[in-house]
Amino acid sequence: AQSVTQLGSHVSVSEGALVLLRCNYSSSVPPYLFWYVQYPNQGLQLLLKYTSAATLVKGINGFEAEFKKSETSFHLTKPSAHMSDAAEYFCAVIAAGAGSYQLTFGKGTKLSVIP
Amino acid sequence: DTGVSQNPRHKITKRGQNVTFRCDPISEHNRLYWYRQTLGQGPEFLTYFQNEAQLEKSRLLSDRFSAERPKGSFSTLEIQRTEQGDSAMYLCASSLARSANTDTQYFGPGTRLTVL
Repeated sequence: AQSVTQLGSHVSVSEGALVLLRCNYSSSVPPYLFWYVQYPNQGLQLLLKYTSAATLVKGINGFEAEFKKSETSFHLTKPSAHMSDAAEYFCAVIAAGAGSYQLTFGKGTKLSVIP
Repeated sequence: DTGVSQNPRHKITKRGQNVTFRCDPISEHNRLYWYRQTLGQGPEFLTYFQNEAQLEKSRLLSDRFSAERPKGSFSTLEIQRTEQGDSAMYLCASSLARSANTDTQYFGPGTRLTVL
């Protein structure tokens, strides 16, 4: 079985500051990892995904994430926060090769950006 | 490409009533997924279809829940005898997947259900 833990249910950063949202995974088989963003009363939008190619993955809106197998982590970063980044962010995992394609999500991290 | 659409966007019902939600996936996507999201939580998997076949169901999908995808296109999720604990956002996603590493799921805006 696979699982995802997101450290920090709420993160606040100043506009222009570094954004770091933490995600650790647990999977018995090689994982595929995803970050999604959710704005209020909307569905989820894919930011980026890791599928065993390059360990540093670049996504939309200036976000990137690095897959670190030794740390079982897939943290999301952005060098400079913008007000429009305020939203809830979800890390998710698919256990590749396990015969299931369901996404298992973390509980989410709500990002606030202070002007 | 118009994206995944869901109807209705909001549904308020009284306990004990039946409700049905509809999801229209991205055209030609062969997989369709249903998730449930409660306040303060991440989405939880309910079920998924490959074409018209329902291939996987979560233990969360009690016998009051039924999902169909009759022609491999749109899908419906019905909840019978609704309970207050069914109040949640119901999310639909679709993908065009040939293998797990190409299975990128695109989500609709969700249907928010409130059971009074």
